[in-house]
Amino acid sequence: EPEVTQTPSHQVTQMGQEVILRCVPISNHLYFYWYRQILGQKVEFLVSFYNNEISEKSEIFDDQFSVERPDGSNFTLKIRSTKLEDSAMYFCASRILADTGELFFGEGSRLTVL
Amino acid sequence: GENVEQHPSTLSVQEGDSAVIKCTYSDSASNYFPWYKQELGKRPQLIIDIRSNVGEKKDQRIAVTLNKTAKHFSLHITETQPEDSAVYFCASKDDKIIFGKGTRLHILP
Repeated sequence: EPEVTQTPSHQVTQMGQEVILRCVPISNHLYFYWYRQILGQKVEFLVSFYNNEISEKSEIFDDQFSVERPDGSNFTLKIRSTKLEDSAMYFCASRILADTGELFFGEGSRLTVL
Repeated sequence: GENVEQHPSTLSVQEGDSAVIKCTYSDSASNYFPWYKQELGKRPQLIIDIRSNVGEKKDQRIAVTLNKTAKHFSLHITETQPEDSAVYFCASKDDKIIFGKGTRLHILP
């Protein structure tokens, strides 16, 4: 069964460093998402992406964040200058349809900022 | 902005009993209401969803009911089993999924 894959599974970085989290969505999906989950808390929407551009973003997704689809398969989340409060699990997700299709999550990338 | 309220935050039920988790949403334009289950350290996984053109949907021991007028929907798990222990998230909104804060369900032996 096809699934969303994410790398790395865990990254430890120093505050102020840049981090890139990578995702490979399911191949026939058209809509891509990044979510964040701080330990023990809810899953928070960061950004949605369609047709090579951001379709919607949350207040969390400030100038320190960016997304890119550099080729036909990868979907990346970049944090330019990490802060302690960026420590969280980051989930990539994809779906075929924008409105009523199931959202498929990757296994997540745990980011620890020291 | 859009908001999804979920309660209770924790719920303990005896094995074999039923569990009910409730959610309310603010955006009346929402037409899609999924429920996700997240086991410890794992990704959220869809367990059931409902669209606004129906009021109830059932899949074995799991059911979801939707009241669009009141803007609330509920997850019902019957004959609970130990493997039902997890965090359950409701969600709404169509183009971006907005999650509730989650309900930690404990199934007691």
